[in-house]
Amino acid sequence: QSVLTQPPSASGTPGQRVTISCSGSSSNIGSNTVNWYQQLPGTAPKLLIYSNNQWRSGVPARFSGSKSGTSASLAISGLQSEDEADYYCAAWDDSLNAVVFGGGTKLTVL
Amino acid sequence: QLQLQESGPGLVKPSETLSLTCTVSGGSISSSSYYWVWIRQPPGKGLEWVGGIYYSGSTFYNPSLKSPVTISVDTSKNQFSLKLSSVTAADTAVYYCARAKLELHWVDPWGQGTLVTVSS
Repeated sequence: QSVLTQPPSASGTPGQRVTISCSGSSSNIGSNTVNWYQQLPGTAPKLLIYSNNQWRSGVPARFSGSKSGTSASLAISGLQSEDEADYYCAAWDDSLNAVVFGGGTKLTVL
Repeated sequence: QLQLQESGPGLVKPSETLSLTCTVSGGSISSSSYYWVWIRQPPGKGLEWVGGIYYSGSTFYNPSLKSPVTISVDTSKNQFSLKLSSVTAADTAVYYCARAKLELHWVDPWGQGTLVTVSS
């Protein structure tokens, strides 16, 4: 059971906008910034969004992050087939003194 | 650009010690702005933070891990290492080494990962 909660799956058609949620608590998302990672099939995860809403260099502006209270979300607009991947949210947890991850969301482009 | 590469045995017997090394190239492990982490991913499952180390040797580990963990750093070789003792099948995973930003804890870049199987 992951400390951060994400939906296990999400889907959309090309061109659509998809949102992936990430729910936590006051000890993690509520008091620290959220980072998002993209893991394409068979590859290592890559940083996508850091500090809630900052794009890593090279990441298209179609990806955006936001945070409110103890929840965060990743939005992907203008969905493309190459966006099909697993997406993970993560944050530092002050109680555990460790980084905690969400369980991951598998995005399917129909 | 900064690159990380994991190395170590791909097969470990139950109750023995899993040992991996991460070699950092293209930059110094002695940076004051970053620390170095191990993250693992069991086959078909999500990511789990194992622990991290600052170049000075300060460490922090995931308290949820059942197997004892030790992370060490060798600044002369630009390497850091992971030891997981008394492993069980539950420790079978792809192990990634990576760099993390101090205080903000975003992880970038990652190594390519190495699969370690615990089996007799």
